[in-house]
Amino acid sequence: SYELTQPPSVSVSPGQTARITCSGEKLPRQFASWYQQKPGQSPILVIFKDEKRPSGIPERFSASSSGSIATLTISGIQAEDEADYYCHSGDSSAGGFGGGTKLTVL
Amino acid sequence: EVQLVQSGAEVKKVGESLKISCKPSGYLFTTYWIGWVRQMPGRGLEWMAIIYPGDSDTRYSPSFQGQVTISADASIGTAFLQWSSLKASDTAIYYCARHVYDNAGYYPDHWGQGTLVTVSS
Repeated sequence: SYELTQPPSVSVSPGQTARITCSGEKLPRQFASWYQQKPGQSPILVIFKDEKRPSGIPERFSASSSGSIATLTISGIQAEDEADYYCHSGDSSAGGFGGGTKLTVL
Repeated sequence: EVQLVQSGAEVKKVGESLKISCKPSGYLFTTYWIGWVRQMPGRGLEWMAIIYPGDSDTRYSPSFQGQVTISADASIGTAFLQWSSLKASDTAIYYCARHVYDNAGYYPDHWGQGTLVTVSS
């Protein structure tokens, strides 16, 4: 199965920048995508193909990938960004999610 | 607009069988992979399996192979996830999600509202 590792939690103050990492040995060969999940809601895609942003996702969400680490960056954090964030990656046979990172806005 | 509508919450007993459904709209059902993701209470997302309704080709996570069966009926545009004998540990929310192929693998882009499955002894 796919092994992706994320920090359990990240805390930032409003207006600051949050960075959430996702590490996995297959990431150099596969794309990463990122999902935001708020309590009681379904996940929402915020980044795909390492760095692309779906329509409707604010520009403060960006991402990059280098080697075995993918990074989601949220600039100018707002209270509404408080949520769980999951990375995902996969190949042609299966996929997997990271364990999730709880983003707390102080 | 792409939407995925899932069947309602289920309460079952250990050992019973179950089949839950997901009906997408807003795109051609047979041209995208569709799959299932588990979220146990208070836990993270777990990728389970996907199916290509155009030819019923399937992919399973090793963790779920043999534990569940994914299927799709192209004539009614609906995907399914089924269990032959439920366990208490199957208690979770199950999300269906359309998957996109990105030339390297598949990623979920649109999600259903989730189906809560509760299994009691």
